[in-house]
Amino acid sequence: NAGVTQTPKFQVLKTGQSMTLQCAQDMNHEYMSWYRQDPGMGLRLIHYSVGAGITDQGEVPNGYNVSRSTTEDFPLRLLSAAPSQTSVYFCASNPTWGTGPNTEAFFGQGTRLTVV
Amino acid sequence: GEDVEQSLFLSVREGDSSVINCTYTDSSSTYLYWYKQEPGAGLQLLTYIFSNMDMKQDQRLTVLLNKKDKHLSLRIADTQTGDSAIYFCACSGGYNKLIFGAGTRLAVHP
Repeated sequence: NAGVTQTPKFQVLKTGQSMTLQCAQDMNHEYMSWYRQDPGMGLRLIHYSVGAGITDQGEVPNGYNVSRSTTEDFPLRLLSAAPSQTSVYFCASNPTWGTGPNTEAFFGQGTRLTVV
Repeated sequence: GEDVEQSLFLSVREGDSSVINCTYTDSSSTYLYWYKQEPGAGLQLLTYIFSNMDMKQDQRLTVLLNKKDKHLSLRIADTQTGDSAIYFCACSGGYNKLIFGAGTRLAVHP
């Protein structure tokens, strides 16, 4: 079982460059989300999607775009990379939206992004 | 807004019990979670507790919830080197919006 797959695992960007972090899940989960993890700050929600065609902003959406054209894929786009976006990015999926048992979040392995 | 706080580091001897503490501000959280992150990996759900419970036990893990003080703890009995990881406390902020603490790095030494 692949679960949640993120690519690439590592990326170095120059300031101003754009790129897309890929996220795919093969569990037919409705809900997908992107978090960034920074030292001493836990995980912060960037964007989330409750189903194909539906996305919404999380806590720190500025500088990022998302789309959800299929159930499986939820790419995160950096429009013009800045050093402040240096972080580890995690994609997660849940069977459905809501909280509690049977809605457990499954996380990808993460993408470590450095912007110089 | 909602906030979750944890101490950043805990060091224990192998075989001892570990207690990781967490405080949160959102009293409406229905579920509270503990996630484990091993080096170079994503987060995995370790356990959770429903807000109307005081305690939940799952093998070596005991979760205690003091809803009045908004305090959550995770006790790991007979801590092993394989338990070395970062442990995140999280509370539900509505519609699968998990609010995470900064994580507690647990180091287990012989």
